[in-house]
Amino acid sequence: DAGVIQSPRHEVTEMGQEVTLRCKPISGHDYLFWYRQTMMRGLELLIYFNNNVPIDDSGMPEDRFSAKMPNASFSTLKIQPSEPRDSAVYFCASSLGYSGANVLTFGAGSRLTVL
Amino acid sequence: KNEVEQSPQNLTAQEGEFITINCSYSVGISALHWLQQHPGGGIVSLFMLSSGKKKHGRLIATINIQEKHSSLHITASHPRDSAVYICAGSLIIQGAQKLVFGQGTRLTINP
Repeated sequence: DAGVIQSPRHEVTEMGQEVTLRCKPISGHDYLFWYRQTMMRGLELLIYFNNNVPIDDSGMPEDRFSAKMPNASFSTLKIQPSEPRDSAVYFCASSLGYSGANVLTFGAGSRLTVL
Repeated sequence: KNEVEQSPQNLTAQEGEFITINCSYSVGISALHWLQQHPGGGIVSLFMLSSGKKKHGRLIATINIQEKHSSLHITASHPRDSAVYICAGSLIIQGAQKLVFGQGTRLTINP
């Protein structure tokens, strides 16, 4: 298994541009999580899906952020318009079953820099 | 108050030393994850435990449910163990699961 695959690995963009981050979870995993990591706040959960359905998006910072999971093998996290304070590493993770009983597998992360 | 507290924040040791990283958590957390993040940035899940002890190679994780405390031990530490170690607690809030992260422990093992 190739693991959780994220793209792009690095993205540099200018303020106001739209950013789309992509994630392919491990085949068969029914939970998918989007996390953001910054120096100031560490790792934070943004949103998670169970069987492609968004369950909790309370961590999404504001309306500029949106996430979709059109099928079991693909999810996107979109920021529109992007701002410098969105600069962070965005991780996607997946698990089979909920995290209280199962191990999470993380992607390599997408490092976003907004100028 | 954070729901998951780690200590120490930074730890430097010599190769071969026995390492302990601690994690205390609040009520409601049903399981603890230990994660490792290397300087390159990737995050690897080391353990998930809700009771007792787990061992993988030189790594041992323990959890004490009554005391709400978990420890990660590394025996015969090696420079390649240098990384940030993060504990994360899993809890259910209003039917939604949350993973609450500690602030991480930066471990440096010198040769």
